[in-house]
Amino acid sequence: DAGVTQSPTHLIKTRGQHVTLRCSPISGHKSVSWYQQVLGQGPQFIFQYYEKEERGRGNFPDRFSARQFPNYSSELNVNALLLGDSALYLCASSPLVRASYNEQFFGPGTRLTVL
Amino acid sequence: AQSVTQLDSQVPVFEEAPVELRCNYSSSVSVYLFWYVQYPNQGLQLLLKYLSGSTLVESINGFEAEFNKSQTSFHLRKPSVHISDTAEYFCAVSVGTSYGKLTFGQGTILTVHP
Repeated sequence: DAGVTQSPTHLIKTRGQHVTLRCSPISGHKSVSWYQQVLGQGPQFIFQYYEKEERGRGNFPDRFSARQFPNYSSELNVNALLLGDSALYLCASSPLVRASYNEQFFGPGTRLTVL
Repeated sequence: AQSVTQLDSQVPVFEEAPVELRCNYSSSVSVYLFWYVQYPNQGLQLLLKYLSGSTLVESINGFEAEFNKSQTSFHLRKPSVHISDTAEYFCAVSVGTSYGKLTFGQGTILTVHP
């Protein structure tokens, strides 16, 4: 079975630009979460979506937004990119909305570099 | 709010030696605890988790962790490490009301030398 997939693998943008990252969860998983992992730090929670609704949001500015589609795939959008947005962006899926006690399955991530 | 502290940023050990990676957490409510491993250029993989019941949990590849509520710790141990255990290890917590939110520690880089 395919795991969580993310695209693109790598991305280079300049300050002020906009970026869209994509995630496809494991088949049958309805919950998708997004995390930002800055080099040398642990992942930081950005969003969780379940059944196309936002169920949780971390401490990130409004420049960050996301959505989930009917097939449960998800997009993370970041506007007005800053140098500090350079990071590995991880997507995780889980079969249940109460993913807090369930295993979350992580994708390989998208490495975003902002110049 | 909950927080996680991993007390060692890097742990070098020799092959077949024992290892302990330390994790302490802070939370005002009951937590679920996890250890994830991240190999270079890969995503995170769940190593083991504590949800309830026995405070000692084990993984299929020889790691174990013990939940200590009084010390708010969830240290990861392995009695004999292999070269292939070289990776970054993350401790994480979640609470019942948080849906999908995992709070991670800063990570510990385990390097196993031959």
